[in-house]
Amino acid sequence: LAKTTQPISMDSYEGQEVNITCSHNNIATNDYITWYQQFPSQGPRFIIQGYKTKVTNEVASLFIPADRKSSTLSLPRVSLSDTAVYYCLVAFNQAGTALIFGKGTTLSVSS
Amino acid sequence: GAVVSQHPSWVICKSGTSVKIECRSLDFQATTMFWYRQFPKQSLMLMATSNEGSKATYEQGVEKDKFLINHASLTLSTLTVTSAHPEDSSFYICSARVGAGSYTFGSGTRLTIV
Repeated sequence: LAKTTQPISMDSYEGQEVNITCSHNNIATNDYITWYQQFPSQGPRFIIQGYKTKVTNEVASLFIPADRKSSTLSLPRVSLSDTAVYYCLVAFNQAGTALIFGKGTTLSVSS
Repeated sequence: GAVVSQHPSWVICKSGTSVKIECRSLDFQATTMFWYRQFPKQSLMLMATSNEGSKATYEQGVEKDKFLINHASLTLSTLTVTSAHPEDSSFYICSARVGAGSYTFGSGTRLTIV
């Protein structure tokens, strides 16, 4: 399973764009890149998923270079409610395979 | 979207008792469910993989006799912490795969053993 590395913590202010980069050098051909958000005492919540290039949804964008060895989650204009832990995960596309979590990035947004 | 309902959301038990946590897939069938444990300020740690109609697969270091997993139907998986002790106090989370590289998680159970 591909190991992921991301910053332990990041600080930002309301209204700013936040980019969290994750490296996954050993990603395999069948792997997807998925980002989850977790608030204290809650289960992780899906943010966005991609395989290559750029993916955008209503809350975030995900940039994946051609070699797929890294990815960047972009949160366009953060608010205080975006303070959470963000996990970058590489999901092997096979039934019965669990997600393995790394340490995640704790994002703190201040006013 | 696919939802996994987890109950209870929190429970406090006396040391030595057993407690059961349930996870139900509400609008899809989950052949496999995954159980995680999370200690304060730490990441999720995979404990076991629950397979419908067969024995669960436990990760190294997880006591299968303490953490009993039952997956009797395609929509229900249970985790029973037997003879619980204070060190078993943690946040337990279940998850199910819902598509290619896509997973959904329960809301978690805060277990406190006193």
